[in-house]
Amino acid sequence: SQTIHQWPATLVQPVGSPLSLECTVEGTSNPNLYWYRQAAGRGLQLLFYSVGIGQISSEVPQNLSASRPQDRQFILSSKKLLLSDSGFYLCACPGTGTGVGELFFGEGSRLTVL
Amino acid sequence: DAKTTQPNSMESNEEEPVHLPCNHSTISGTDYIHWYRQLPSQGPEYVIHGLTSNVNNRMASLAIAEDRKSSTLILHRATLRDAAVYYCILSPHTGTASKLTFGTGTRLQVTL
Repeated sequence: SQTIHQWPATLVQPVGSPLSLECTVEGTSNPNLYWYRQAAGRGLQLLFYSVGIGQISSEVPQNLSASRPQDRQFILSSKKLLLSDSGFYLCACPGTGTGVGELFFGEGSRLTVL
Repeated sequence: DAKTTQPNSMESNEEEPVHLPCNHSTISGTDYIHWYRQLPSQGPEYVIHGLTSNVNNRMASLAIAEDRKSSTLILHRATLRDAAVYYCILSPHTGTASKLTFGTGTRLQVTL
């Protein structure tokens, strides 16, 4: 079964600083990959998804960007963080084998922008 | 996308059954009903999904109304570890999980 690694787990950044969150997936190849964000006290919002290397679709306009430089690597970035970028960022990919039909999530990266 | 409606919160006593309702009156014929739950400070985890027939697995049961306009997630014996936010989501099942749209879910509180 697949495993999703996210880092860093926790990040505190000043407004205007850059951001890079990484997600790597093991145990599957050429997966669809997703970035979600959960603001404090709110539901999950889909930010980006990717169906392959270099292919990124954005779900909502925002201050963030995503890249997929390798098959199993998905990166979330920002050149200048805003206070509203604070939240819990989750990377996800579909299950395989007995997990087909399920969406698996990483442990998340909690970002606080001050 | 078809939307779902869930109560904001529910409470249950430990070791009692819990029935979490979800309304989805605009569901299409190809939409599967998915349930996920999110424990505090963790990513969501899959619970169960179904199309028309009731479904059972080791975690829960899913009861789907005959007209498919509502469904109920059933936890047979709630434990403190079941305290989480439960999300009911509609999505076409394409063989690999497509992107899911999460609402605000139902926050389940379990007490002794």
